[in-house]
Amino acid sequence: EPEVTQTPSHQVTQMGQEVILRCVPISNHLYFYWYRQILGQKVEFLVSFYNNEISEKSEIFDDQFSVERPDGSNFTLKIRSTKLEDSAMYFCASSPRQVGHGYTFGSGTRLTVV
Amino acid sequence: GDSVTQMEGPVTLSEEAFLTINCTYTATGYPSLFWYVQYPGEGLQLLLKATKADDKGSNKGFEATYRKETTSFHLEKGSVQVSDSAVYFCALSSAFKAAGNKLTFGGGTRVLVKP
Repeated sequence: EPEVTQTPSHQVTQMGQEVILRCVPISNHLYFYWYRQILGQKVEFLVSFYNNEISEKSEIFDDQFSVERPDGSNFTLKIRSTKLEDSAMYFCASSPRQVGHGYTFGSGTRLTVV
Repeated sequence: GDSVTQMEGPVTLSEEAFLTINCTYTATGYPSLFWYVQYPGEGLQLLLKATKADDKGSNKGFEATYRKETTSFHLEKGSVQVSDSAVYFCALSSAFKAAGNKLTFGGGTRVLVKP
């Protein structure tokens, strides 16, 4: 069964550093997403991406965040200057075109900012 | 805006017990509804879905019926196993946006099944 692949599985970074979280969505999917889950809390939408541009973003997705699909297969989330409160599990997901079709999520990257 | 409310956990059950996790939603129109499961140390997996009123989603012995009149999508399983221990998330996607719109999640319900 096709999978969404995320790397790394764990990342520890110092406050103020830049991090890039990487994802390889399912190859024939057209829509890509990032979500995050702070430990013990709700899964929160960050951003959706379609046709090489952001289609929707949440209030969480401020100027410190950016996304990119640099080469047609990878989909990255960059946090420019990490804060302690950015510590969370970050999930990438992709979906095909149809409305109402569930996403396929990756297994997540646990980001710890120290 | 859209929102999903699900019962707080943890829910602790014995093996072969009946499981119900309540989920209600607020949304405009007819959203699609989902249940996702997160096993310990893993990501989110789609468990089942329903895209219109009165649809029943089912998978792995779990069922949920889309009830428009009560804006609910309760998850049920008749006989749970230890391997069903996980966190279960109810979610919706809006009816009014083009394909690829965001999911709104409930807070998750932790289920622990004891042998």
